[in-house]
Amino acid sequence: GAVVSQHPSWVICKSGTSVKIECRSLDFQATTMFWYRQFPKQSLMLMATSNEGSKATYEQGVEKDKFLINHASLTLSTLTVTSAHPEDSSFYICSADGSRNADTQYFGPGTRLTVL
Amino acid sequence: DAKTTQPPSMDCAEGRAANLPCNHSTISGNEYVYWYRQIHSQGPQYIIHGLKNNETNEMASLIITEDRKSSTLILPHATLRDTAVYYCIVRSGTYKYIFGTGTRLKVLA
Repeated sequence: GAVVSQHPSWVICKSGTSVKIECRSLDFQATTMFWYRQFPKQSLMLMATSNEGSKATYEQGVEKDKFLINHASLTLSTLTVTSAHPEDSSFYICSADGSRNADTQYFGPGTRLTVL
Repeated sequence: DAKTTQPPSMDCAEGRAANLPCNHSTISGNEYVYWYRQIHSQGPQYIIHGLKNNETNEMASLIITEDRKSSTLILPHATLRDTAVYYCIVRSGTYKYIFGTGTRLKVLA
């Protein structure tokens, strides 16, 4: 139980295009999901908190117009990287607040984005 | 948000117990300690969490000191597949996780 999936697992795109990453909780409902990014050999950095049916809360320094987050249902949150540039290349990971183990976050497998 | 401090790296012989320490001296009374691990290029995997009492599950044991300022994750019989980066996290009241740098555990054959 408490499985979180992400799609795609990897994506390569051209500079200036937009990329959408999906995060799904497969066997539980998640009112809150989180988005992180991770650069090589570094730790995870929280980007934003996504609440179902409301606007996401972004961490300081994260551009909300560049990283669009939508949490339209209790099992799906999406992150859209708009007008991607090479410096946006990173490992993007989502997590969802579990139901059975309240307040424990369960992480997706991550999406590797490469912007050429 | 309480910060955590962990040693950057540790080695452990296969079959032996791996004891991973974490310092969280600024932890508040209602903040939980969580442990996750991340194997290369994967999302973090939940291991265990606790508030005050020691906890054990099928993966590991968590020992929290009485003053709650530090904790130790114990993998009782480490295997090569336990090689990973281990993160100790104090969950704040806002439910956010703030990841530190973690401990890179290498299990040696």
